[in-house]
Amino acid sequence: ILNVEQSPQSLHVQEGDSTNFTCSFPSSNFYALHWYRWETAKSPEALFVMTLNGDEKKKGRISATLNTKEGYSYLYIKGSQPEDSATYLCAFIASSNTGKLIFGQGTTLQVKP
Amino acid sequence: GAVVSQHPSWVICKSGTSVKIECRSLDFQATTMFWYRQFPKQSLMLMATSNEGSKATYEQGVEKDKFLINHASLTLSTLTVTSAHPEDSSFYICSASLRTTLYEQYFGPGTRLTVT
Repeated sequence: ILNVEQSPQSLHVQEGDSTNFTCSFPSSNFYALHWYRWETAKSPEALFVMTLNGDEKKKGRISATLNTKEGYSYLYIKGSQPEDSATYLCAFIASSNTGKLIFGQGTTLQVKP
Repeated sequence: GAVVSQHPSWVICKSGTSVKIECRSLDFQATTMFWYRQFPKQSLMLMATSNEGSKATYEQGVEKDKFLINHASLTLSTLTVTSAHPEDSSFYICSASLRTTLYEQYFGPGTRLTVT
């Protein structure tokens, strides 16, 4: 059974704080890792698709890194804003079963003004 | 671009009745659509994968006779929960995929089903 773990489960920060959370996935059989941002009552929105070990992607104040050898990815948010409040999901794709996303439980971020 | 709608956003039904949920790709043609379910405090779990014009592929433990999936066109897939029971109460969400090597999926906003 392929397991994807995210930590922490939830996070409360003050506006302006920088924060990061982790996605752990099987280090063998890696194909790709997706990060999504999911606001309440909206559709999950794709943030990044990561495929190469050492990959680093950036979108505004949000960035992500990937370590496929040890099986983890970090998502960083610099200078958090209230509008960053959402659940952040990672999803793993195994090379033996491409096309199927295996999701972690998500990290719910609350940014207080 | 790549917008997916889902209808209804929430539904309450009585035990024993059937409920249909629609998933539409609004501005693209989706070769593949996926149906997920999320129980409280759990991750999104894939229920089935459907390709236009062919039978859906169900994940282990998902009853195909209970969760009927129809993918009649490149922009519409439907999930029918037949003879719903309270344990089917959950959050159901669909996604649509373009045939790319990175397997990006575009999600609908989900449907909250409550069976009383």
